[in-house]
Amino acid sequence: NAGVIQTPRHKVTGKGQEATLWCEPISGHSAVFWYRQTIVQGLEFLTYFRNQAPIDDSGMPKERFSAQMPNQSHSTLKIQSTQPQDSAVYLCASSLQGGSNERLFFGHGTKLSVL
Amino acid sequence: QQQVRQSPQSLTVWEGETAILNCSYENSAFDYFPWYQQFPGEGPALLIAIRSVSDKKEDGRFTIFFNKREKKLSLHITDSQPGDSATYFCAARGQGTGSKLSFGKGAKLTVSP
Repeated sequence: NAGVIQTPRHKVTGKGQEATLWCEPISGHSAVFWYRQTIVQGLEFLTYFRNQAPIDDSGMPKERFSAQMPNQSHSTLKIQSTQPQDSAVYLCASSLQGGSNERLFFGHGTKLSVL
Repeated sequence: QQQVRQSPQSLTVWEGETAILNCSYENSAFDYFPWYQQFPGEGPALLIAIRSVSDKKEDGRFTIFFNKREKKLSLHITDSQPGDSATYFCAARGQGTGSKLSFGKGAKLTVSP
């Protein structure tokens, strides 16, 4: 079991460019979560899918950010017109069914740097 | 609004000492409290967790003490080792929050040999 796989590990974009981050959850896990980590804010919830359906996107910035889960083996987080304040580590996590007491398994994260 | 607060933000202890990391929360609906451990360059990993029906959870050198009335909990790491040097996140989740974990900002622990 390779764990949650996130690609790329590092991404550098220029201001105004688009960034797409990829996540492959653990096989058999039906819940996928996206978090953003910064020194100042810590770990911020962005969005959550269960069985590929969006369940809660309350943490997603309303503009420029979107997430999809086209199949059970991967999810993407897309940031349009990236801004320097989007620089962060974006973490993807999966759990078996998304139950309230389930353990989250995190990937290593994608470090996004917007110049 | 930060629903989960941690203190201190950073802590240094000597090898063999007990490290104590504190956490408090606002939402009375929270009933599950995991602690995650994160090493540089890695994602957080579950270390230990407690449910609100318990006041203590122990796993080896790691113990959570939970006070529901005061909405506070703490993580005690006894006989601290240099390998325990990491950032520790307190988190909370309630039944009604759609399984979303709310995290504190983290506490960086350094264990000096």
